[in-house]
Amino acid sequence: KQEVTQIPAALSVPEGENLVLNCSFTDSAIYNLQWFRQDPGKGLTSLLLIQSSQREQTSGRLNASLDKSSGRSTLYIAASQPGDSATYLCFLSNDYKLSFGAGTTVTVRA
Amino acid sequence: DAGVTQSPTHLIKTRGQQVTLRCSPKSGHDTVSWYQQALGQGPQFIFQYYEEEERQRGNFPDRFSGHQFPNYSSELNVNALLLGDSALYLCASSLGGFGTGDNEQFFGPGTRLTVL
Repeated sequence: KQEVTQIPAALSVPEGENLVLNCSFTDSAIYNLQWFRQDPGKGLTSLLLIQSSQREQTSGRLNASLDKSSGRSTLYIAASQPGDSATYLCFLSNDYKLSFGAGTTVTVRA
Repeated sequence: DAGVTQSPTHLIKTRGQQVTLRCSPKSGHDTVSWYQQALGQGPQFIFQYYEEEERQRGNFPDRFSGHQFPNYSSELNVNALLLGDSALYLCASSLGGFGTGDNEQFFGPGTRLTVL
């Protein structure tokens, strides 16, 4: 059974600080891992997709790494801005299940 | 290129009623997955439809059922509504079902269901 954990549940940082968000999972047999952003009451916006064979993906200020052997993924957001305030969710797919973590809610203070 | 669309946006029902939610996938996608997101929690996988069949199901009772049409759009039906069914219902589309695709998910805006 795949368990997905995101720690911390909430994070508050001053503008300009780098963000480090963690996602851990118990079953390393995954197809891919996605990071999503969710604004309050809204749907999910895909940020980055890492295929099972990849170690990291980058898009602008965002970088995500994947270490299947340790069951971890990390999302880095450089030079945070107030507009980065949102809930960030990691998602994993494998042969039998599609699983989300509970998310990390980020507040960037101006 | 139209993304994933869902209807209605909001819905209010009373306990015991039945509800139908609708989803149209992103152009070119053939797979639809449904999720339930309670307040303050991550989305929970309900089921996935591919080739008009339910392919995988999460830990949800039979009150939750669905359908996929030949144009790949999908419906989620919930019978005998409970207060605990109040949630944001999200639809995601992808290409290829379990074991056949990479399962990259594209989400719609969701339907907010309130059960009174």
